[in-house]
Amino acid sequence: LAKTTQPISMDSYEGQEVNITCSHNNIATNDYITWYQQFPSQGPRFIIQGYKTKVTNEVASLFIPADRKSSTLSLPRVSLSDTAVYYCLVGDGNNAGNMLTFGGGTRLMVKP
Amino acid sequence: GAVVSQHPSWVICKSGTSVKIECRSLDFQATTMFWYRQFPKQSLMLMATSNEGSKATYEQGVEKDKFLINHASLTLSTLTVTSAHPEDSSFYICSARARAVLAKNIQYFGAGTRLSVL
Repeated sequence: LAKTTQPISMDSYEGQEVNITCSHNNIATNDYITWYQQFPSQGPRFIIQGYKTKVTNEVASLFIPADRKSSTLSLPRVSLSDTAVYYCLVGDGNNAGNMLTFGGGTRLMVKP
Repeated sequence: GAVVSQHPSWVICKSGTSVKIECRSLDFQATTMFWYRQFPKQSLMLMATSNEGSKATYEQGVEKDKFLINHASLTLSTLTVTSAHPEDSSFYICSARARAVLAKNIQYFGAGTRLSVL
């Protein structure tokens, strides 16, 4: 079971780029890295998923180094509405088992 | 696409009564659905895994007789909190995993149900 470690909280200002790093030192060969966003009193929302190198979508980018022991979620030009908790999950892409453990997440506060 | 509907969004009940929460995948088939509980300022805790047509798998420490899960179809799972007590007050969230292999095990979450037991 690949455990993840993230900073508990981060502060940023509107318009800045925010990078949240997740450590997953014992990631397995078949594991994917998935990030979710959660607003208060709402269910988490899928942001991005990757296996290696870089993945980009309309919301964020995910950078994964060659050793895959960490990953960085990059949010370009954040706004106040990006204030949320961000969770990094690591697990086998075809096996639900260890994809379901949520760590503490990173509480991002975007200030005006 | 990949919308999960959870109902009700908020429920208040008296101690000793039962509450049913529904989770529906609206535009995809979900062979597996998951139920989580989340207390204020804490992370999500997996309660059980629900597979269509079979019994749910409960996590350690979760009472299966208290939290009844039924996954009657590929688009519907229900969680019934039986004989609810104030300590069961929490935010309950369901998620569904799409059947397609290419989904890479991404979970799609419902909006959650806030349960308050008086």
